[in-house]
This record gives sequence, structure tokens and C-alpha cells, in this order.
Amino acid sequence: DIQMTQSPSSLSASVGDRVTITCRTSQSISTYLNWYQQKPGKAPNLLIFGASTLQSGVPSRFSGSGSGTDFTLTISSLQREDFATYFCQQSYSAPRTFGQGTKVEIK
Amino acid sequence: EVQLVESGGGLVKPGGSLRLSCVGSGFIFNNYIMSWVRQAPGKGLECVSSISSSSGDIYYADSVKGRFTISRDNAKNSLHLQLNSLRVEDTAVYYCARPGPRGDYWGQGTLVTVSS
Repeated sequence: DIQMTQSPSSLSASVGDRVTITCRTSQSISTYLNWYQQKPGKAPNLLIFGASTLQSGVPSRFSGSGSGTDFTLTISSLQREDFATYFCQQSYSAPRTFGQGTKVEIK
Repeated sequence: EVQLVESGGGLVKPGGSLRLSCVGSGFIFNNYIMSWVRQAPGKGLECVSSISSSSGDIYYADSVKGRFTISRDNAKNSLHLQLNSLRVEDTAVYYCARPGPRGDYWGQGTLVTVSS
């Protein structure tokens, strides 16, 4: 199985801050990388697929980049509704595996 | 619109059994691999089992192999997970998921609590 290493595990930030979360995979996955946002008691919600393609309806302050083994999720200007947990997921090979998650908290 | 609706969760004692179900709509069910993904309280996400469209290819995580059984009924657009010999560490929200080339669709989840 492909191992996923996501960092940091948590961060504190203020509204308006630029936030960056990274995800590293144990082998090259081209751009088969998805990012999800999860709020308490809810299922994960797809933000980005194919490493950099924004899902319909997702605000443009979210962006993704990377290929191969190193990927980044950036929130350009953090909004109150963005405080949540974020997961990366590889869709290159089965089983699909996930990063450990990054909890974004209010500073 | 793709919809996945899970049912069957609940409270069960260690060693007990449960059967989870998921009904899909808004897509051609028998065209897709389907999966069960779980999330223990405060923890990350783990794909515990998946099944190909024809049921010919099945995956189980090592943590559930020999105890859980996945199945599907394409005529009824339904996916099932039989959970036997349950352990405290199986306590989690279980999500039905439809993997796709543009990310996964998820149900709302069903909570399984294993406790004496």
C-alpha cells in the first residue's frame, strides 16, 4: 500500500492568514492526489482532485499543487468557515490511502 | 446527484456482529468499485474493504481480514459489510464510498460502537 505522510498534524492560524499543508507519498503517484475538508460529525468533502483541480463550488482561495511524491494544499486567506480538518488521499492505486489529517484551529 | 445512504450501525458487545448496508442512487451502480472507509473517534481514515463491480475482486485491510465480509447486490444498488467477531478497536463511523477519477463520493456514515 502507498504510505501517506501529511504535515503538520495541527496548526493555529488567524482569519486572513495564508495556510499551507503538505502531503508526501511513499512512491510516485503522478497527480493522483485528492484533498478533503472535514468538519465535526460530517463526512469528508472533496476540495481538490488531480492534485490541482478545484471541485465545483469550492472557493478559489483553495489551491493545490505538486506531482510525483510531494503535494501542497494552500488556503490563500483563511476564513472562519475554513477551520476544519484536512486530509489528502491518493487515487493512484488500490487501496486508496489517506494522510493522517491536519486540524486547522483558530489562533 | 450521487447519493449514498448507510444504515445498520449500533451498539454491540465485543465478539458480536452487525451488518451494514449502503444504497446508492444517481449513478449506474454496477459500473463502479465500491468501498467501506472507517474513522475511529478522533482518528484518520482507513479503507477497510472494497469490491469490484462484478464482485470478482475484493480487498480487505489486514485489520479486518477474516472477520468482515463485503458484498453487493447490483440489482438493488446496494452494498453490504458483514462485521463479525467485533472488537473494541472496530468502534468507528463507517462510510460507504464510491471511488472515482475525480475524487470519491461519500455517504453520511453510520456509527458502530463496540463496548461491553
